[in-house]
Amino acid sequence: DAGVIQSPRHEVTEMGQEVTLRCKPISGHNSLFWYRQTMMRGLELLIYFNNNVPIDDSGMPEDRFSAKMPNASFSTLKIQPSEPRDSAVYFCASSLGSRLNEQFFGPGTRLTVL
Amino acid sequence: SQQGEEDPQALSIQEGENATMNCSYKTSINNLQWYRQNSGRGLVHLILIRSNEREKHSGRLRVTLDTSKKSSSLLITASRAADTASYFCAMDQGAQKLVFGQGTRLTINP
Repeated sequence: DAGVIQSPRHEVTEMGQEVTLRCKPISGHNSLFWYRQTMMRGLELLIYFNNNVPIDDSGMPEDRFSAKMPNASFSTLKIQPSEPRDSAVYFCASSLGSRLNEQFFGPGTRLTVL
Repeated sequence: SQQGEEDPQALSIQEGENATMNCSYKTSINNLQWYRQNSGRGLVHLILIRSNEREKHSGRLRVTLDTSKKSSSLLITASRAADTASYFCAMDQGAQKLVFGQGTRLTINP
């Protein structure tokens, strides 16, 4: 198995531009999580899906952020418009959704908003 | 939501020594997990301890859990340079999501 796949690995954009991050979870996993990691705030859960349905989006910082999961093998996190304070590493993780709930993380997308 | 508090924030030891990291949390948990993050990489699951377990071993890793004190510790024995990484505890509070601590940055000096 290739593990969780994220693209792009690096993204540099200018303030005001739209940014779309992509994630392919491990096949057969039914839970998907989007995290943001910064030095100041650590690892924050933004949103998670179970069986393609958003369960908890309370971590999404504001309306500029949106996430979709159109099918079991693909999810996107969109920031529109982007701001410099959105600069961070964004991780996608997936899990089987079982009681033991081990999460498998992707390599992350390093976003820099100038 | 509550986060775990990890102690120390940073730890530097000599290769071959043991490293101990601690995690405290505030509310009841189903299980507690430890993850490792190498620089520039995603987190990797190390070990899971259930709420009804007190100690668990995996290779050079030993995890303890004290639910009465709401705390856990991760011990890495006979440390190696490759153990240099950040280590995070993660609390499973149910609803299939984890709450991560702030992490301990471990440096193993050759």
